[in-house]
Amino acid sequence: GEDVEQSLFLSVREGDSSVINCTYTDSSSTYLYWYKQEPGAGLQLLTYIFSNMDMKQDQRLTVLLNKKDKHLSLRIADTQTGDSAIYFCAESISGGYNKLIFGAGTRLAVHP
Amino acid sequence: EPEVTQTPSHQVTQMGQEVILRCVPISNHLYFYWYRQILGQKVEFLVSFYNNEISEKSEIFDDQFSVERPDGSNFTLKIRSTKLEDSAMYFCASSEAGAGNGYTFGSGTRLTVV
Repeated sequence: GEDVEQSLFLSVREGDSSVINCTYTDSSSTYLYWYKQEPGAGLQLLTYIFSNMDMKQDQRLTVLLNKKDKHLSLRIADTQTGDSAIYFCAESISGGYNKLIFGAGTRLAVHP
Repeated sequence: EPEVTQTPSHQVTQMGQEVILRCVPISNHLYFYWYRQILGQKVEFLVSFYNNEISEKSEIFDDQFSVERPDGSNFTLKIRSTKLEDSAMYFCASSEAGAGNGYTFGSGTRLTVV
């Protein structure tokens, strides 16, 4: 079945790196995404990776994909208080009209 | 930057009433979606819409739900007879060509059924 799992909470000190992890079950995933949700706001696409890639870097964000283990991670370098939010991992399922399957979200708390 | 616009941002309705949630997708996008997020829970897929018809729907999307693209710009979600458990944040999304560079989500409509 289709399922995406994430740890629910991560606390980091300002300036440190944050690593948010995600596992998924569907091996036919084509794209994997990271979305950010600030309180009361919508879902903001942060970055995505195609399933045949291992890594993607975009400024402070690094996405690592281990397709064998179906494991995805998001590393945020030099974490700032403005990074405090809920981060959702999502996979796009091939064969349909590319609906997204979301994880439950990881709440990132950045403290001084 | 182009946006997906949703209205209203918050709607309160009585149980049993019909509600229509409105969305204006990005103009050159071809795929449209509704998702919902019950407070504290996962974002769940409801329905996808392409070429003026439903392309896929989830188990949640039962006969009480319908979608429509009444003109060239709006995309609506109707709930015919709301239940308390329909209270959630409803997100509209659109994409140019399915997956790839991702979907653009609207800011959501918070529906509260009392």
